[in-house]
Amino acid sequence: QVTLRESGPALVKPTQTLTLTCTFSGFSLSTSGMCVSWIRQPPGKALEWLALIDWDDDKYYSTSLKTRLTISKDTSKNQVVLTMTNMDPVDTATYYCARVYGDYDYWGQGTLVTVSS
Amino acid sequence: EIVLTQSPGTLSLSPGERATLSCRASQSVSSSYLAWYQQKPGQAPRLLIYGASSRATGIPDRFSGSGSGTDFTLTISRLEPEDFAVYYCQQYGSSQYTFGQGTKLEIK
Repeated sequence: QVTLRESGPALVKPTQTLTLTCTFSGFSLSTSGMCVSWIRQPPGKALEWLALIDWDDDKYYSTSLKTRLTISKDTSKNQVVLTMTNMDPVDTATYYCARVYGDYDYWGQGTLVTVSS
Repeated sequence: EIVLTQSPGTLSLSPGERATLSCRASQSVSSSYLAWYQQKPGQAPRLLIYGASSRATGIPDRFSGSGSGTDFTLTISRLEPEDFAVYYCQQYGSSQYTFGQGTKLEIK
C-alpha cells in the first residue's frame, strides 16, 4: 500500500535552513505522471502549497516562497527532500508531503516544525 | 496567482441536514483541476472530490461536487456525525496550486 512519512528537525532557529525528507513506499517516482508535493499548515490555519517535483525531475514552487525553497528527489531511495532557507517564526507549521498522481491522493501524517530561538 | 475564497467560514448544522459549501476563484479554473479535501483535527487532509465532481475512492455518495469557471460547490446531502470537519478546496493552474482558507463544519 502507499505510505509517505515526513522526517526532519522539530525545532530550528531563526535564519537556519530547514531540511525535510519525505520517504515513501508503494509507488515509484519514475512512473510517468507521478509527483510528490510539499504542503504546510501553521497551527490553526489553512493549508499552503509549497512545492512539487515530478517523475521527469521538473520542479514547481510557490511564487511567494520560490527564492527560499529547493525540492529534489532520490528515486533509488524513494525519497523527496525539501529545503527552506532563512527560517522565521512565521514558518512554524506542520509540513506534509503528498503523492500527486493526478490528485493529492495520499498524504503523510505531517511533521511539526517550530522556529524559535 | 489564483485566489480561492471559501464561504461560509463556519457552518453550523445538525446531523441529517444538508450542507452546501462554496469555493469561488479569482479567475476561471479548469474543472479538471478543482478538488475538495476534508481535514479532521490532528489528521492529514483526505481527498474527497477531484475534477470538480468525481468522488475519490471510498468516498460515500452523500458527498458531491459541482460547478465550473469561478464557482464551485461541495454538497453533503445528509450529514453524518463523522462529517464535521474542515473542508478545503484546491486548484491547479499556471504551474501553481492554491488552497482556499477552509470552511469549518461544526455541529449545531
